[in-house]
Amino acid sequence: DARVTQTPRHKVTEMGQEVTMRCQPILGHNTVFWYRQTMMQGLELLAYFRNRAPLDDSGMPKDRFSAEMPDATLATLKIQPSEPRDSAVYFCASGSIPDGLAGVADTQYFGPGTRLTVL
Amino acid sequence: DQQVKQNSPSLSVQEGRISILNCDYTNSMFDYFLWYKKYPAEGPTFLISISSIKDKNEDGRFTVFLNKSAKHLSLHIVPSQPGDSAVYFCAAQNTDKLIFGTGTRLQVFP
Repeated sequence: DARVTQTPRHKVTEMGQEVTMRCQPILGHNTVFWYRQTMMQGLELLAYFRNRAPLDDSGMPKDRFSAEMPDATLATLKIQPSEPRDSAVYFCASGSIPDGLAGVADTQYFGPGTRLTVL
Repeated sequence: DQQVKQNSPSLSVQEGRISILNCDYTNSMFDYFLWYKKYPAEGPTFLISISSIKDKNEDGRFTVFLNKSAKHLSLHIVPSQPGDSAVYFCAAQNTDKLIFGTGTRLQVFP
């Protein structure tokens, strides 16, 4: 049963500390998305990658957030320094979008999320 | 500015009755819409979708209706079951990204 995995599931840290969240997409999927869930904004897209290349990170606060895909099996989202307003649930999702077919978004498969609390 | 809006944060429905969840969008260029369902401590899972060339799509107890002129879509669940209790997110496709609403929490009581 293929699924997206995320670690850690929960993270409590103090303001100013670095936080790294990890995601393993479903094998064979070529697109990875990072979302943040808040009560006010719902699911906000932070960044996404296709074939490991960053396509859009306009949803991320650039000064403190960074997203990378060191290889096809690992995506990371890093916050440095973290702030209390970053407290949220962060979801990773993966999907399969045929190369060369822009504008086609297959259904996305979400991981269980990382609940981040910054004190 | 929210491009996809779910104005009802919660809905409570009796088991066996119809649940209707609503979603409004602002961008007429959106051409594909999806509903996701989310249980506590889990990620959202895909439920049903509709292309803008259609006005209705049905899958078992779930039907999505699209009114393009009103920029409105709705999800109907008939009959509602206690296991349907979850948060439902509406999403619209923009190029190869999905833009999600804030979600509606549905509670189905016996």
